[in-house]
Amino acid sequence: DQQVKQNSPSLSVQEGRISILNCDYTNSMFDYFLWYKKYPAEGPTFLISISSIKDKNEDGRFTVFLNKSAKHLSLHIVPSQPGDSAVYFCAASAERIQFYFGTGTSLTVIP
Amino acid sequence: DGGITQSPKYLFRKEGQNVTLSCEQNLNHDAMYWYRQDPGQGLRLIYYSQIVNDFQKGDIAEGYSVSREKKESFPLTVTSAQKNPTAFYLCASSIPSGGYNEQFFGPGTRLTVL
Repeated sequence: DQQVKQNSPSLSVQEGRISILNCDYTNSMFDYFLWYKKYPAEGPTFLISISSIKDKNEDGRFTVFLNKSAKHLSLHIVPSQPGDSAVYFCAASAERIQFYFGTGTSLTVIP
Repeated sequence: DGGITQSPKYLFRKEGQNVTLSCEQNLNHDAMYWYRQDPGQGLRLIYYSQIVNDFQKGDIAEGYSVSREKKESFPLTVTSAQKNPTAFYLCASSIPSGGYNEQFFGPGTRLTVL
């Protein structure tokens, strides 16, 4: 049973606009959430994280929002750049031992 | 240059053969993980190890085995009992739980069983 879900397999955005990637989770014990970026045939690279004591975390062009009541998090990329084109995975953890990953959203930023 | 190495990048094996995938890290991380990625699916945890000589099964451990004899190394053996072994395998490491730490991933090994 998928505990972390990314319901949009793909997203296309114009360069310079905002990209919003969404993630839902079912386990209320999750207290740490991460976003990874992945290029084909490579390992994921860490982007940004948020703990459940916060509702927002920002790092440059990347902002993650957490809505605990809705069990929903989102990643905002502003402004989007062609180099942001990749697959984005969200992940969640309850004890920072085991991490559960979503199925990924493929982002295409159109120049 | 710290990081995680996985070798080889591509691996081909005949059905019924065991195969071992290598994972080495020089990040001095205690915890190491093996994931499997299939098309259209997220990363699924096979095994993880928090310290040397100790490891736990993840969600899809059947048909796989691991060892953790050294802190730097966490090899994964795909046995003939694994019914659908063709996949992209990713190794990761992290500082142990207790802190807010991300996992660092290797470049992956694509295993194709013919």
